[in-house]
Amino acid sequence: GQNIDQPTEMTATEGAIVQINCTYQTSGFNGLFWYQQHAGEAPTFLSYNVLDGLEEKGRFSSFLSRSKGYSYLLLKELQMKDSASYLCAFFGANNLFFGTGTRLTVIP
Amino acid sequence: DSGVTQTPKHLITATGQRVTLRCSPRSGDLSVYWYQQSLDQGLQFLIQYYNGEERAKGNILERFSAQQFPDLHSELNLSSLELGDSALYFCASSVVAAPPYEQYFGPGTRLTVT
Repeated sequence: GQNIDQPTEMTATEGAIVQINCTYQTSGFNGLFWYQQHAGEAPTFLSYNVLDGLEEKGRFSSFLSRSKGYSYLLLKELQMKDSASYLCAFFGANNLFFGTGTRLTVIP
Repeated sequence: DSGVTQTPKHLITATGQRVTLRCSPRSGDLSVYWYQQSLDQGLQFLIQYYNGEERAKGNILERFSAQQFPDLHSELNLSSLELGDSALYFCASSVVAAPPYEQYFGPGTRLTVT
């Protein structure tokens, strides 16, 4: 079957670094996505990993280990506007399968 | 603004009724996706169209149907509505049908069934 696990909630301090983990199980895998979603708004694309390793994009980085079924999103220099839900999703069986998301709260 | 438009923004209707949600993809995007997001279930993929043809099907109920028209806009029809269908319905679009791609999401239609 297909499954994704991520922590439900996390809290971090402004200016700090936070790592949001995601583990997945699927029989077919064609990439791992991270999306950011502010409350009541549409998800916006953050990153895509298809090969093992780290992809860096400004303050955000995403890591993938296909053998472990594991990914993380690293957010550096946290800002208050980073308070949002972060959705992990993999592409398998011809569609995107989303986790329920991690709600990140950034505190001063 | 992602370039994907959805109408209406809000919809309130009664159980047993039928509604139609509309989506216009970004200019140049051939693929359209429909998602349902409820509080307890997260974002669920419903169905994908590519250039007018159904490409992939997810957890879409038989009471729901969709189509993509020649001008590439798409409609999601929900019938015999139940209280549990209350959710945020997102449409997304992309240029190609499979990764690597970036899906652009519309602002969503909030459906409330009373």
